[in-house]
This record gives sequence, structure tokens and C-alpha cells, in this order.
Amino acid sequence: DIQMAQSPSSLSASVGDRITISCRASQSISNFLNWYQQTPGKAPKLLISAASTLQSGVPSRFSGSGSGTDFTLTISSLQPEDFATYYCQQSSTIPLTFGGGTKVEIK
Amino acid sequence: QVQLVQSGAEEKKPGSSVRVSCKASGGSFSNDAISWVRQAPGQGLEWMGGIIPVFGTPNYAEKFQGRVTLTADRSTSTAYMELSSLRSDDTAVYYCARTITNYGMGLALSWFDPWGQGTLVIVTS
Repeated sequence: DIQMAQSPSSLSASVGDRITISCRASQSISNFLNWYQQTPGKAPKLLISAASTLQSGVPSRFSGSGSGTDFTLTISSLQPEDFATYYCQQSSTIPLTFGGGTKVEIK
Repeated sequence: QVQLVQSGAEEKKPGSSVRVSCKASGGSFSNDAISWVRQAPGQGLEWMGGIIPVFGTPNYAEKFQGRVTLTADRSTSTAYMELSSLRSDDTAVYYCARTITNYGMGLALSWFDPWGQGTLVIVTS
């Protein structure tokens, strides 16, 4: 199975901050990497597919980059509604696997 | 816009089985797959398996092989997940999610969108 390692596991930031979340795959997954946002008590929401394709309706302050084994989710200017947990997920190979999540908290 | 609506919360005894449904509202499954993902309390996301309704053949994560059964009824656009031999560590929220790919029909090279609202399954004696 492909293991997905996210870092950090949590971070504290202020409104307006630029933050970066990393995701590393245990082997190359090309660009088959997706990012999801989950708020407490809610289902995850797709933000970015194929490493960098922003989904319709997702604010442009979110961006994704990377290929191979190393990927990044960036929020350019953190907004109050962005405080949530973020997950990466690889779809290169079955079984589909997720990173452990990064909880973004208010400083 | 397809929405996935799941069945309600369940409380089960250890050793029993649970069946969760996932109905596509406002559309149909089309040629997409449906995956099942679970989340134990305070934990991350875990893919259990998926099924392509037009084919009917499921693919299971090894961890759940032999305990989980995924089926789909195209006539009602409803997918089902049955988990047997329940244990206390199966207590979790179970999600269905449409699994989309640009590479024909399949589970790989895909992403999950949308997700169902989740079904809480509590296993307790």
C-alpha cells in the first residue's frame, strides 16, 4: 500500500496568514493526489484534484502543487472559515489511501 | 447536481452486522464508482472499498476483505455497504462518496466528490 505522510499534524495560525501543508507519498504517484477539507461534524469536501486542479466554487486562495512524491497545499490568506482539518489522498493505486490529516487552528 | 443521501445512525451489538445505504438524489450513479470511507471518533479517513454500479464488481481494501460487502442497485441509484462481525473498534462514521475519474470507469486515478452526509455506527454491548 502507498503510505501518505502529512506534515504538520496541526498548526496554529492567524487570519490573513499564508500557510503550507505538506504531503509525501511512499512512492511516486505522478499527480494523482487530491486534497479535502473537513470541518467538525461534516463530511469532507473536495478542494483540489490531480494535485493542482481547483474545484469549482473553491476560493482562489487555495492552491496545490507537486508531483511524484512531494505535494503542497497552500492557503494564501487564511480566512475564518478555513479553520478545519485537511487531508491528502492518493489515487494512483488501489487501495486508495489518505494522509493522517492536518488540523488548522486559530492562534 | 447529484447528492448522496445516507441512511440513519445505527447501534449494533458486537458480532452482528450493519447495512448502510447511500442513495443518489437529483441524478443517478451514471458510470461513476461509489467508494466507502470510514472515520473512527477523532481519527482520520480510511478507504474501505468501492464499486462501479454499471459493472457491479467491488474492490475491497485488504483490511476489510471478508467482512465487508458492497453492492449497488442501479434501478434505484442506491449503493449499500454491509459490515459483518462487528467489533467495538468498528464504531465510526461511515461515508459514501462518488468516485470520479477522467480515465474511463474505475476507482484508481480518481477523486471523491460529492460525499454523503455520513452514517454513525456505534458498536456496543
